[in-house]
Amino acid sequence: QVQLQESGPGLVKPSQTLSLTCTVSGDSFNSGPYRWSWIRQLPGKGLEWIGYIYNNGSTYYNPSLKSRLSMSVDTSKNQFSLRLTSVTAADTAVYHCARGRHAADHYYDNSGAVIDIFLYYFDSWSQGTLVTVSS
Amino acid sequence: QSVLTQPPSASGTPGQRVTISCSGSSSNIGRHYVSWYQQLPGTAPKLLIYRDSQRPSGVPDRFSGSKSGTSASLAISGLRSEDEADYFCAAWDGSLTGREVFGGGTKLTVL
Repeated sequence: QVQLQESGPGLVKPSQTLSLTCTVSGDSFNSGPYRWSWIRQLPGKGLEWIGYIYNNGSTYYNPSLKSRLSMSVDTSKNQFSLRLTSVTAADTAVYHCARGRHAADHYYDNSGAVIDIFLYYFDSWSQGTLVTVSS
Repeated sequence: QSVLTQPPSASGTPGQRVTISCSGSSSNIGRHYVSWYQQLPGTAPKLLIYRDSQRPSGVPDRFSGSKSGTSASLAISGLRSEDEADYFCAAWDGSLTGREVFGGGTKLTVL
């Protein structure tokens, strides 16, 4: 049973950098092609996907956050981390880390072109930590 | 404004069958697989459905997922008080450079 626990400051000043680390336990960090993901829950709103990192360090970010975002991984500690720069009050949210599973199916359309169908879901989540951006 | 559209609330009485809808477009639900999550108050979201209609082990068969065109649905049969929670849908969106998108969530109340 994999467990994820995030850690980091609960209060960040505007224009500064938000940094969070997620520690994975109960499962080997390298046991599968997982997408170690970050998702945030904005106050009174739904969920927003932030991005993911593989255990080899490859990343994929939400285009809306890409210019301020970086992720890293430390396989020796079973941890992955998030850094979001130049934060504003709009970044105040509950931040979750999660284990992402993925796959792709393919079929051919009438013209013979290959159509990809993506599967990406989160089978384990952290409890979430509230990060408030305020001076 | 969430990319996927869900009703903000739904309700039902114990034993009833309730359906929650999730509406998207050809770049997300219309092409890629849908997943559903349950978030009980004060807890982490839990995976209920993946690949449109597949249940992970441990999820009761009272929960079922379906998809038609650019819309998906989560059905809960034999409603129980412990089903009172927020429910979210999600799918990959292939527009622009691609990203995972979520619905705004539906608060289910068991009357």
